[in-house]
Amino acid sequence: QKEVEQDPGPLSVPEGAIVSLNCTYSNSAFQYFMWYRQYSRKGPELLMYTYSSGNKEDGRFTAQVDKSSKYISLFIRDSQPSDSATYLCAILTGTASKLTFGTGTRLQVTL
Amino acid sequence: EADIYQTPRYLVIGTGKKITLECSQTMGHDKMYWYQQDPGMELHLIHYSYGVNSTEKGDLSSESTVSRIRTEHFPLTLESARPSHTSQYLCASRGGTYGYTFGSGTRLTVV
Repeated sequence: QKEVEQDPGPLSVPEGAIVSLNCTYSNSAFQYFMWYRQYSRKGPELLMYTYSSGNKEDGRFTAQVDKSSKYISLFIRDSQPSDSATYLCAILTGTASKLTFGTGTRLQVTL
Repeated sequence: EADIYQTPRYLVIGTGKKITLECSQTMGHDKMYWYQQDPGMELHLIHYSYGVNSTEKGDLSSESTVSRIRTEHFPLTLESARPSHTSQYLCASRGGTYGYTFGSGTRLTVV
């Protein structure tokens, strides 16, 4: 079983839709949770990070962590074609310096 | 503006050639990483370094080698390239924050 599971998609939504992207993890020692966005032929860029259960908001993006269920989510409001990319969840334990990545979900926002 | 630079961006090379993929960062980060990513697939850690003269193999076995003689420089070398080495190679660094900063990647094709 992978430590981090993520549906690879692809996920196609119309412009303006609310998008929900999710990951589950198995290691309860994980403490820090991140979301990266990767455009085609580019390196991943950090979107958001959080270290506690609950919600963290940044503009149109909301990261949600539920440690009791080992479940993390990224919500995108008012999705735009420029949001079309692959979104990767990434998780870190407190003592390690190596991120564990999900497989990434490919998102396509259509006009 | 990228603070971590990878060169070349694209490389097509013949089987058996020796190649070095360059990675440099200007942030003074101690921790640096090399990931391999096939199209549409997850990132696999192949090498990492926690500082000068420190190198470790990652989770995915790789025939490549790395060196860390200077903090800002973390090159990856393939002594004899093969078609199975065709992939995208991503370099990343991490300072005191939780997230990694990625370069734009080198897309390697071995023919």
